[in-house]
Amino acid sequence: AQKVTQAQTEISVVEKEDVTLDCVYETRDTTYYLFWYKQPPSGELVFLIRRNSFDEQNEISGRYSWNFQKSTSSFNFTITASQVVDSAVYFCALSEMDSNYQLIWGAGTKLIIKP
Amino acid sequence: ETGVTQTPRHLVMGMTNKKSLKCEQHLGHNAMYWYKQSAKKPLELMFVYSLEERVENNSVPSRFSPECPNSSHLFLHLHTLQPEDSALYLCASSQAASGNYNEQFFGPGTRLTVL
Repeated sequence: AQKVTQAQTEISVVEKEDVTLDCVYETRDTTYYLFWYKQPPSGELVFLIRRNSFDEQNEISGRYSWNFQKSTSSFNFTITASQVVDSAVYFCALSEMDSNYQLIWGAGTKLIIKP
Repeated sequence: ETGVTQTPRHLVMGMTNKKSLKCEQHLGHNAMYWYKQSAKKPLELMFVYSLEERVENNSVPSRFSPECPNSSHLFLHLHTLQPEDSALYLCASSQAASGNYNEQFFGPGTRLTVL
């Protein structure tokens, strides 16, 4: 079974729409970390956020927000008022003690923002 | 130079060639990683070096040989590759700490094509 599932392979929206990227994870550890990375067409993975398992507060950074819910094992990412520059592949990842804290990656969601 | 740099950015090689990929990090980190990213697949962790010692080798074929001469440099030596090895090879670094995990910072990648 996949430990990190990003069920949305590709999402296409028109600029200024809000969009949510889903991430569902699986772990037996009580201490773990969740990450989101962005990969624009240039190829470089850009770190967006890290969240530890003890901090369920939602986070907002400008147009980006993250909703961490342990009850549903989800760590969803919302972009408000999307822009063309947000077009990229977004990866969710899990780090847990069982895996020696190596990053376990989701398959990624390709986000296309149309002008 | 800042962050994580990788050279070359693009590489085309025949199956009998020997080539090397280079990664350099300017972040003062003590852990470095090689990943392989193929189309429509999750990122695959290949090797991890922590304090210049290899701590992870995820069943990577011997035609890939890593080298970490110091904490700032990481190489991936390639020999007798197969066409299915064509992919984006990403290098990353992090500040590894026992029992914890910090975000990884990535280079732009080397796009490798094996003919």
